[in-house]
Amino acid sequence: DGGITQSPKYLFRKEGQNVTLSCEQNLNHDAMYWYRQDPGQGLRLIYYSQIVNDFQKGDIAEGYSVSREKKESFPLTVTSAQKNPTAFYLCASSVPGLAAYEQYFGPGTRLTVT
Amino acid sequence: AQKVTQAQTEISVVEKEDVTLDCVYETRDTTYYLFWYKQPPSGELVFLIRRNSFDEQNEISGRYSWNFQKSTSSFNFTITASQVVDSAVYFCALSVNTGRRALTFGSGTRLQVQP
Repeated sequence: DGGITQSPKYLFRKEGQNVTLSCEQNLNHDAMYWYRQDPGQGLRLIYYSQIVNDFQKGDIAEGYSVSREKKESFPLTVTSAQKNPTAFYLCASSVPGLAAYEQYFGPGTRLTVT
Repeated sequence: AQKVTQAQTEISVVEKEDVTLDCVYETRDTTYYLFWYKQPPSGELVFLIRRNSFDEQNEISGRYSWNFQKSTSSFNFTITASQVVDSAVYFCALSVNTGRRALTFGSGTRLQVQP
C-alpha cells in the first residue's frame, strides 16, 4: 500500500528536550512538506523540500530543523528553541512539487511538551 | 503573497440539509490552483478537489459540488443532503507556480451534521 507514514501518533516530551518526528513515503514523490496545525487554525508551513539534499524554510521555521538525505524520508526535529512546540504536525508529499499537484498527507503526530 | 479566507468558523446543520462552505482567495498570480481538503476527527487530511485558474466550470461529484467564480475570487463548496459522516473540518487552499509552490491554507470550517 502506497502512502505516507508518520510515527508516533502521540508524542510527549519534557520542555528543553529536542524531539524528532518521523515522516516516510513510498509514493516516489519528489517533494515533501511539514506543516503545523494549532487548534482552530489552518496549517502553516514549517519546511519543504523539492528534491533530495535540498530544503527551504517555510513561514514558521524558527526552532525547527529538517534533513532530506533520502527521497523517502523527511524527518523534522523540534528543538528546545521552539517556544511553543505543542501542536499537531502533518507531513505531506507531492509529485513533482509543482503547484498543480495535490499534496498527500500523513496521519499526523500530536506533540505535547510539558 | 497568497491568502485564503474561510469566514465561517463553525457550521451546524441537521442531516439531509444542504450546506455551503465559503472560500475567498487572494493572489496576484494569473495561474493558480485551488484545493479543498477534508480533515475528519482522525486528523489526516483527505484531498477532495483541485481546480486551476483557467477552468471556471463548476464540478459535481456525488453529493459534493464546487462553484468557482474568478470575478469574486471565490471557490465555494456545497454538500447536498448532508450526512453525519460529513462532519469534519474542511480546508480551502491555494498554490501558485512561483516561489515555493506550497499550499496556503484557510483557517478551516468545522461542519457538524446532527442526526
